[in-house]
Amino acid sequence: QVQLVQSGAEVKKPGSSVMVSCKASGGTFSSYGITWVRQAPGQGIEWMGGIIPISGTTNYAQEFQGRVTISTDESTNTAYMELSRLRSDDTAVYYCARALTIIASGAIGYNWFDPWGQGTLVTVSS
Amino acid sequence: QSALTQPASVSGSPGQSITISCTGTSSDVGGYNYVSWYQQHPGKAPKLMIYDVSNRPSGVSYRFSGSKSGNTASLTISGLQAEDEADYYCSSFTSSSTLVLFGGGTKLTVL
Repeated sequence: QVQLVQSGAEVKKPGSSVMVSCKASGGTFSSYGITWVRQAPGQGIEWMGGIIPISGTTNYAQEFQGRVTISTDESTNTAYMELSRLRSDDTAVYYCARALTIIASGAIGYNWFDPWGQGTLVTVSS
Repeated sequence: QSALTQPASVSGSPGQSITISCTGTSSDVGGYNYVSWYQQHPGKAPKLMIYDVSNRPSGVSYRFSGSKSGNTASLTISGLQAEDEADYYCSSFTSSSTLVLFGGGTKLTVL
């Protein structure tokens, strides 16, 4: 049974960058995708983007284009999410999740998400 | 693109049934059977409860069921139990460049 274990909490200054890792234990990413979402305090879930490790294909939500980079290291079964030019409203819990990838309407997409990592709190404060 | 629309809160008594709606458009919920539902307890990661509109993952109680009509998907929980009290989120594939949409979440209170 694959489990996703994320790196620990981070405190960052506005304008800096943060990198969160997500390591698969008990298995590999295999043919699945890895997706990243975030949840600001008391708020809903926001999709940030995803990656299909077997092809290296990445997809980013428009809101995060240019600020987020998602990557994987298949040798260590670890995915990474780097968010740059941090602002105070980037304070949130960031989650990775394994995603079933699909082809729909001629585009690669992400369907359901399971399992999830435990979450990583990123606090942006001066 | 706007998030999928869910009621902010629903409530029910133990043993009762409740339904949570998730409304989108023909570009997402109505156009594809790629709707999933997640349960989230406070301070915990979300947990997949329903995928592909109406399928239950192994280990999820039969009391949870999903359906879809037009642009609205629904999650029904029957025989409410205290442990069902949580936030619930729907998600759908979308043909827009966004690719993935989540609903705003529904807080379920078991009275």
